[in-house]
Amino acid sequence: KAGVTQTPRYLIKTRGQQVTLSCSPISGHRSVSWYQQTPGQGLQFLFEYFSETQRNKGNFPGRFSGRQFSNSRSEMNVSTLELGDSALYLCASSLSGPNEQFFGPGTRLTVL
Amino acid sequence: GENVEQHPSTLSVQEGDSAVIKCTYSDSASNYFPWYKQELGKGPQLIIDIRSNVGEKKDQRIAVTLNKTAKHFSLHITETQPEDSAVYFCAASMGSSASKIIFGSGTRLSIRP
Repeated sequence: KAGVTQTPRYLIKTRGQQVTLSCSPISGHRSVSWYQQTPGQGLQFLFEYFSETQRNKGNFPGRFSGRQFSNSRSEMNVSTLELGDSALYLCASSLSGPNEQFFGPGTRLTVL
Repeated sequence: GENVEQHPSTLSVQEGDSAVIKCTYSDSASNYFPWYKQELGKGPQLIIDIRSNVGEKKDQRIAVTLNKTAKHFSLHITETQPEDSAVYFCAASMGSSASKIIFGSGTRLSIRP
């Protein structure tokens, strides 16, 4: 069974640009959660989607948004990038909720 | 507020000894407590989890205990091996719907040969 995949693995952008990250969950998993990981703030919850609906979100500005498609694949978008958005963005999937989540390898975003 | 505190931030133990990592959580409605291991360059990997209706769970050399009254939970690794060296995160679900997981700040565990 294939694991969670995230694309791209590495990304370099400049301030003010926007970026879209993609996550393909494990087959059969309907819940996808996104996290931001930085050395200073650790692992922070961004949002969780289930059956194309956002069920919960963390304390991030509106520049961070996401969506989930009917095949459970998910994307997150960050608009008007800031230097502080440089981080590892992790996606995790589970059958029906954050219980027993399986993480992907992450997308390393660098904002210059 | 929604918070999970984790201690210690770094831990060094002799190979073969035990390691203990402790966490506390703030939300009395939390009912799911996973532990993750993260190796360099990889995403976190679920190693064990416990639900609020259970006080202890074991899986080979790893065990987790939960004290709901005190809002404490701990990870115990016995007979540590070099491959146990990694960063460990505790986490707790927030709210009764459990659709939000908050992570502790992590513990860097080093196993001395």
